[in-house]
Formats: sequence, structure tokens, C-alpha cells
Amino acid sequence: QKEVEQNSGPLSVPEGAIASLNCTYSDRGSQSFFWYRQYSGKSPELIMFIYSNGDKEDGRFTAQLNKASQYVSLLIRDSQPSDSATYLCAVNSGTASKLTFGTGTRLQVTL
Amino acid sequence: SQTIHQWPATLVQPVGSPLSLECTVEGTSNPNLYWYRQAAGRGLQLLFYSVGIGQISSEVPQNLSASRPQDRQFILSSKKLLLSDSGFYLCAWSTSVDTQYFGPGTRLTVL
Repeated sequence: QKEVEQNSGPLSVPEGAIASLNCTYSDRGSQSFFWYRQYSGKSPELIMFIYSNGDKEDGRFTAQLNKASQYVSLLIRDSQPSDSATYLCAVNSGTASKLTFGTGTRLQVTL
Repeated sequence: SQTIHQWPATLVQPVGSPLSLECTVEGTSNPNLYWYRQAAGRGLQLLFYSVGIGQISSEVPQNLSASRPQDRQFILSSKKLLLSDSGFYLCAWSTSVDTQYFGPGTRLTVL
């Protein structure tokens, strides 16, 4: 059973701080890793994807991948109240672009 | 650009009634299509995926079925709904790259 694990939270950070969201996965053969943001009552929207070990930056977001440790993270710099949402980690399962999702981490950015 | 539509947006159905949810994608050809369900407070559960017209793979045995009558149309059906079928139903698409993009979703309540 391929698994993706996330801490459900809530993770509470003050406005302007760095939020760090973490995800571990069980399938060593996984090649692609995704972060989605889901606001309450809405569908998930893609934030970032990462394929290679190391960091990938896009604006205030940085995805970090460590395949040896089977660990992927998302850093959100200068957190804003509008970043308050559930963040889903997803891992490619290798067949027909199937993704396995974690249950998500709820982020709360406080004023 | 690509657009994905789902309807209806919300649905309230009695136990034992039939179900038909529709998903259509615009702006791309031969996409992979997916149906997910997200129960309240739970993660995304992949129900079905399709790599082409008439090609359906089921991930979880249950009283639901899926069909793909046209290249960019994906339908989720049930002959008799159960209480446990309540949830947020999401359609997603991807192409040769494994990034999935989600539709707005249908919120189904079975009473």
C-alpha cells in the first residue's frame, strides 16, 4: 500500500512568518511530487511540483525534496492570512499519472 | 487554455435514488480523467480513472460506476445511492505530464 503521510495540524503561524509543511511517502520509486492548496469548500489547486532532489522556488513558495529520506516539504515565506487553507501533498504512483494524496495539513495564519 | 467543468455544483438525493455526475474538459485532447471523492474531514480517494474513450479503471469496489462516452467527457453514476456516498466529488484531468488539475467539484448529500 503506497502511503503519503502528513500531519493534520492545524499548524498556526503568525502573519509574516515562514510556514513549513512536511510530507513523507512510502514508495521509493515515486518520481513526481506535488503540493495542492485547498480552501474550505473548494477544490484543490496546484501550487507547485518538484521532480529532482533539492529546492524549487516559485515566489513565496519553496518545495524541497529529499528522495533518500522520502521526504518532501513546502515552505511559505511571509505567510499571509490568505494562505490559511489545507495543503495536500501528492505523489505520482507511476501508472496513468495516478497520484496518491496525503490527508492534508491545515494551516492557519494569524494576524 | 484548458478548462474543466462539473455539474451539478450541489446535489441532495434520497437513499436509493440514482446518480449521474458529469465532467467535461475543454482545450485539450485525449486527457487522462479521474474521479475522486473527499468525505468530510478526509483525504482524496481515487474512485476511477480513464486513459481513453471507453477505458475505465476502478480503484475501489463500490456501488458507483464511471463511463467515458467521449474524449473529454467523464460521467460518474450510481443506480442506488447509499448514505456513505455523501461527499465532495472531484473530477480531474492530466495529459502526458502527470500534473492533475481539478474541477470545481460536486457536493453530494445523501439523506
